[in-house]
Amino acid sequence: GEDVEQSLFLSVREGDSSVINCTYTDSSSTYLYWYKQEPGAGLQLLTYIFSNMDMKQDQRLTVLLNKKDKHLSLRIADTQTGDSAIYFCASPNDMRFGAGTRLTVKP
Amino acid sequence: EAGVAQSPRYKIIEKRQSVAFWCNPISGHATLYWYQQILGQGPKLLIQFQNNGVVDDSQLPKDRFSAERLKGVDSTLKIQPAKLEDSAVYLCASSPTGTSGVHTQYFGPGTRLTVL
Repeated sequence: GEDVEQSLFLSVREGDSSVINCTYTDSSSTYLYWYKQEPGAGLQLLTYIFSNMDMKQDQRLTVLLNKKDKHLSLRIADTQTGDSAIYFCASPNDMRFGAGTRLTVKP
Repeated sequence: EAGVAQSPRYKIIEKRQSVAFWCNPISGHATLYWYQQILGQGPKLLIQFQNNGVVDDSQLPKDRFSAERLKGVDSTLKIQPAKLEDSAVYLCASSPTGTSGVHTQYFGPGTRLTVL
């Protein structure tokens, strides 16, 4: 099957920007998604981007899509302690998720 | 609007025992999904229902896992017999009628299964 890969850990200081990266292999996806999972909770859709877009901004979140390199990134501006969670990128074509990036925000 | 409900939240069993999980999707949602999330990994789709019919069960280990969605509403996922490697969080999700794609899925809190 197709793969979605992410780095596993990211640690930043409160107020800094966080950038979470993802690479995927399925070029036929219409959308690509970012989900957030807090401890003991189910997944929550954070944002998504259509495959014909390069960038999408939603308040503190910026999604960048490089279709040529099959690279997706999520930037969180002014990261807060409440942003500490695991972030998953996902490709919908076969409901495939990455392994998740654990973001730790230090005060 | 009530979210996706799952029970139990936690279950501990010994290997070779049987276990069942229950999911109540959001009212009116036609599509229901079961995922397995092993510690340190992303969710893996086990089975997808559209109403009470199976759309995709290609990754369901059918020798030990079974799922049903009677009357197209609630669903149960059963493991019989359980193995140590089945220890995971089992997530249920639902999505509205006529839609597809991950972004329309609403996830429940999951059932954490520990097999000893």
